[in-house]
Amino acid sequence: ELKVEQNPLFLSMQEGKNYTIYCNYSTTSDRLYWYRQDPGKSLESLFVLLSNGAVKQEGRLMASLDTKARLSTLHITAAVHDLSATYFCAVDDFGNEKLTFGTGTRLTIIP
Amino acid sequence: DSGVTQTPKHLITATGQRVTLRCSPRSGDLSVYWYQQSLDQGLQFLIQYYNGEERAKGNILERFSAQQFPDLHSELNLSSLELGDSALYFCASSEGGGWNTGELFFGEGSRLTVL
Repeated sequence: ELKVEQNPLFLSMQEGKNYTIYCNYSTTSDRLYWYRQDPGKSLESLFVLLSNGAVKQEGRLMASLDTKARLSTLHITAAVHDLSATYFCAVDDFGNEKLTFGTGTRLTIIP
Repeated sequence: DSGVTQTPKHLITATGQRVTLRCSPRSGDLSVYWYQQSLDQGLQFLIQYYNGEERAKGNILERFSAQQFPDLHSELNLSSLELGDSALYFCASSEGGGWNTGELFFGEGSRLTVL
């Protein structure tokens, strides 16, 4: 069974700082997705990573995928308050027709 | 707006009751997924349908059932409700049909409170 782990679970950081969220998964997959969720709201798709070495950037967020290490990272550059949210990675459970989600990382940006 | 529509947005009911949650997928998407989000369990996959057929099943309780209709909308039925069923229920859709799930587009969710 595919397991997806994120760390840290909670992250409180100051505005202007950089940090990285890690997503590890347990079985072979070359497709990984990052989502953002604001409290009580829906999940918004951020990045779609479809191959080993894929890197995507949008504003202050950059995501990468290393399928050999079964690891994806979400890097936050010069954090701003608007980035406060919970971030989920989700791995395509190949052949099982579902995405398996990580535990989520609740990010709080402190002014 | 993802294009996925869920109703109702909020639902309060009593233990032992039955409720139905409804989902309309994005135009053109054939696959519908149901996920449950509770505080202590994170996002749990319940069940998936593709073009009217059940294709994948997760940790869905026997008290819960779902179906996808010919017009591709889906319903999740929850019966004999317990306090622990209180959660946010999300529907998501994708094009579907291949080995890979693909990007999922989520609805706004239905928040169920069981008293």
